[in-house]
Order: sequence, then C-alpha cells, then structure tokens
Amino acid sequence: AQKVTQAQTEISVVEKEDVTLDCVYETRDTTYYLFWYKQPPSGELVFLIRRNSFDEQNEISGRYSWNFQKSTSSFNFTITASQVVDSAVYFCALSEYGGAQKLVFGQGTRLTINP
Amino acid sequence: GAGVSQSPSNKVTEKGKDVELRCDPISGHTALYWYRQSLGQGLEFLIYFQGNSAPDKSGLPSDRFSAERTGGSVSTLTIQRTQQEDSAVYLCASTILGGGGGDTQYFGPGTRLTVL
Repeated sequence: AQKVTQAQTEISVVEKEDVTLDCVYETRDTTYYLFWYKQPPSGELVFLIRRNSFDEQNEISGRYSWNFQKSTSSFNFTITASQVVDSAVYFCALSEYGGAQKLVFGQGTRLTINP
Repeated sequence: GAGVSQSPSNKVTEKGKDVELRCDPISGHTALYWYRQSLGQGLEFLIYFQGNSAPDKSGLPSDRFSAERTGGSVSTLTIQRTQQEDSAVYLCASTILGGGGGDTQYFGPGTRLTVL
C-alpha cells in the first residue's frame, strides 16, 4: 500500500528564514508520481510541483526548491527567505502510474511565517 | 472562470437528512475525483470518474455515499441519512488523464459540510 508521511505537524519561523518541509513516502511501484500542494487559509488546494519517479533532478522555482531522493524515499520542499504569504498548510502526495491515479496525501504541515 | 467550481460552498444540515454536493470540472478534463478532508482522517480519496468507464468507488466510506457524473462533466456527490462524522470539507478535482500517468489534479474550493 502507498503511504506518505509528513512528520512535521507544525512549523513556525520568522520571516526571511529558510524552512524545509519533510516528506517520506512508501510504495511498491517502480513508476509513481509525487506532488506538493499548498492550502492557504482560503482552503483551496493549490498545485506546486509534480515529479515522476525517474526524474531525480532537483528543481528550483523562485524561492521554492524540491529535493527528490529515491534512496531515502524522500521528497523535501524548501522555501528560501520565507515570507508571511507562505503561511499555509502544505501537503505532499503520491499517485500510482495508471489506474485511477488517486492521490495519497500526507497529513500536512502547517507552516506559519511570523513577521 | 476556468477552474473547478463546487457548490454550495457551505452546507449545514441536520442529522438524518440527505445532501447533494455539486462539482463542475475544468472544461475538457475527462477525469474527476472526490476527496474528503476531515480533522481526524486528513485528505482521503472517495471516488473517481474517467470518461464512460465504471467509476472507482473504492474510497466511499459507506453505502450512504454515492456519486454520479452526467454527460461526462458535472458530478454530484450524495450523502444519505447524514451522520455527524460526515462533517468535513468535500473537495473535487479534475484532470486531463492523457494516459501517461501522473497528470496533475486541479482542485475546487470545496464544500464545507456540517451535520448537526
């Protein structure tokens, strides 16, 4: 069975600090997909990134970066120079290849950026 | 708008009543999902529709839950004889599902259901 673990329930940092959100996954599939979503206080899930299991290249998008390591089954997310607008709940998710491709979510990490 | 829309945004009902939640997917998206977000269970998959194929109902928690998708577009999630544990935010998502796998699911704003 697939499982995603986000061990950090809540993180609170001061603005401009860097922060890393951890995500560890379990799957027996050799082909799978990993996602990060952001849920701001408004409640809507906002897609951030998708990564397939064959692409271990790290990705950077502005202040956001993602580190995918198959050897440790981790897909961590770092925000550099955090801002108050980054405050949200962040979810890591896993989907299978083929079939319904339903998302299996972690429990989420609530990130609070204090001014 | 071009995104996934859901209605109502909030629904308060009494225990034992039936409720219907609606989802309008992004135009052109063939696949539609329902998820539930609750304090105790987090985000969990409920049901999946793809084109004219039989839906994947493996996530529905009980036979009080059902869903349909008419004309390959709009979907309605129905909860019969609501219970207090049904209180949650119900999220709908859609995607193109081009066959390559891993297509990004785009979510609607959700319907917050409160069962008194």
